[in-house]
This record gives sequence, C-alpha cells and structure tokens, in this order.
Amino acid sequence: DSGVTQTPKHLITATGQRVTLRCSPRSGDLSVYWYQQSLDQGLQFLIQYYNGEERAKGNILERFSAQQFPDLHSELNLSSLELGDSALYFCASSVGSGDEQYFGPGTRLTVT
Amino acid sequence: GENVEQHPSTLSVQEGDSAVIKCTYSDSASNYFPWYKQELGKRPQLIIDIRSNVGEKKDQRIAVTLNKTAKHFSLHITETQPEDSAVYFCAASKGSNYQLIWGAGTKLIIKP
Repeated sequence: DSGVTQTPKHLITATGQRVTLRCSPRSGDLSVYWYQQSLDQGLQFLIQYYNGEERAKGNILERFSAQQFPDLHSELNLSSLELGDSALYFCASSVGSGDEQYFGPGTRLTVT
Repeated sequence: GENVEQHPSTLSVQEGDSAVIKCTYSDSASNYFPWYKQELGKRPQLIIDIRSNVGEKKDQRIAVTLNKTAKHFSLHITETQPEDSAVYFCAASKGSNYQLIWGAGTKLIIKP
C-alpha cells in the first residue's frame, strides 16, 4: 500500500458524460500527478499540482481539467467523454517535484 | 526539453538468464534516475533508483548502472524469475524542483 488513495476503483459511463476522479496523496506529500494509461500503453503524464497550484502540464486534453484543494487532495474532471478516453487513470504523489512518486491503485474508466 | 528514450520496447528472456534494459537521457543536469515496475493491472512501483553521485547500485537480483558521460543508465536483472514479468519504466529528473521525465516502458517476458 503506497498511502495514495483513489476513488472510485471502476467507473463505467456513456459517451458525452462527465466524471470526476478523486485522489488523496500520502501524508506530507505536496505534489500530485495525474497519468493516463491506455491498454498496453505507457504512462501519459497529464498534469501536476504542487501545494494547490498547477506546476506542469502534459498531454492533457481541453476536455479534461484538474485541481488540488487546500487539504491537498486532487480531482480530475473528464467531460464530453469519448470511447478513446477509456483507460486506467493513475494519481501519484511525491514530497516535491522530481522526487520518488508513489502511485495510487488507479481508476479504471470505461466509456461505452 | 528533457527526453528519455528506453530500449527495448519488449524483451523476452529465458528464466534464469539476465535481462538488461537501457535508458538514455538528454539533459546532462539530470541527477535522479528511478526505475518502476508495473505488473499487469497494478500500479507502478519503485524498485530501485540511483543518483548521479554514484555509478552503480544493487539490491539483491537487481542493479542499476549510470554512465553520466554517455548519459545513459541501465537496469540489470539477474537470475530472472517468472514474477519478474512486468513492464519496467525508467525516468530522469534534475532534482526536487523539476519533473520526472518518463521512458516509454519495456515489457519484460520471462519464458519458462
């Protein structure tokens, strides 16, 4: 157990819908990262927050947005969902940027 | 920006043999190099890391070597076992205020 929690574990929804994925980092970690992993693909970095502020952006679609709250938990919002958004979404946390990242168990999103 | 290339994308070895995965980074200021293992359907987990002040680090059957001049680092797994089958990711960072830059991953298959 890495100490990073993600909810929900599984999510099945229809195209065009909007969902919110939630992540709670390890105690003491200030950075939260979001990754997308499609079947048999690598880790696609989406976005990073550090102590409530956006720190870095990767290949995140405009339909996707995220935020980190004062208690340091983070949410990833995915809207106007498409079939191609079906993937495993991981959250990771670290003390700072560039440090060891601890991954949560992931949320498996299926868009039908 | 920083780029990390990882080879091979797939590696198949006989059980008991050794496996080597290599990563090349572009930014000579990088000083932290972790390796993550991701088993099927699970989260990536750190298995070993190295900082630029050392050239090699070992932990039982796994080792990482770093060649700063050539800007590459490698993961070595000896006496491979079926449970070593997984996807392995390398990454590089310039330090605590910089992001981890990820390689594309190597799928390691251990043949019985």
